[in-house]
Amino acid sequence: DTGVSQNPRHKITKRGQNVTFRCDPISEHNRLYWYRQTLGQGPEFLTYFQNEAQLEKSRLLSDRFSAERPKGSFSTLEIQRTEQGDSAMYLCASSFDRGNQPQHFGDGTRLSIL
Amino acid sequence: GESVGLHLPTLSVQEGDNSIINCAYSNSASDYFIWYKQESGKGPQFIIDIRSNMDKRQGQRVTVLLNKTVKHLSLQIAATQPGDSAVYFCAENLGRGSTLGRLYFGRGTQLTVWP
Repeated sequence: DTGVSQNPRHKITKRGQNVTFRCDPISEHNRLYWYRQTLGQGPEFLTYFQNEAQLEKSRLLSDRFSAERPKGSFSTLEIQRTEQGDSAMYLCASSFDRGNQPQHFGDGTRLSIL
Repeated sequence: GESVGLHLPTLSVQEGDNSIINCAYSNSASDYFIWYKQESGKGPQFIIDIRSNMDKRQGQRVTVLLNKTVKHLSLQIAATQPGDSAVYFCAENLGRGSTLGRLYFGRGTQLTVWP
């Protein structure tokens, strides 16, 4: 499968714990995006990388959230001191960087905070 | 504002009929639009895109129409099949400056196809 891969698919944790998600983009893509989606809503942008550089962050990305893409390939999204409101689907997408290109999404990581 | 919305939250059609899903956007600076299909438990799946210098684009069984005058986007699905049942999102990209990377999504339309 050469699509965007996300792990784990599901994560259940207690409030206050730290969690880390991984995204492996389509190999030829050098743009990588993170979104968050809650039930009944469309995805909301969190952050965006061009290769290893994090070029844009949403105001949704509080200081408890950090994303990295150290080698310009896979990316990780970490949430520290999780809160109930962090429960959501976390989606990763990737695209080429030539002009307007469609973003291709993975199947997400479903985070549930107990 | 920088928002994308939808006219109808749900749409039910009979198998074989054509479906039309509508989307309104508010930012006249948006220059790129994408339609996605999302099935339960999965991520959004790319269907078709259109740039602001076009008013129509066709794919396999799908057509996207863009009316910049009234800031309206529509997705037409021909001969709708049960496998088309899903939530459909339109998304826009401003394509300029610091917002080059992000897509803005609407709430989505739930399409249900019945036999």
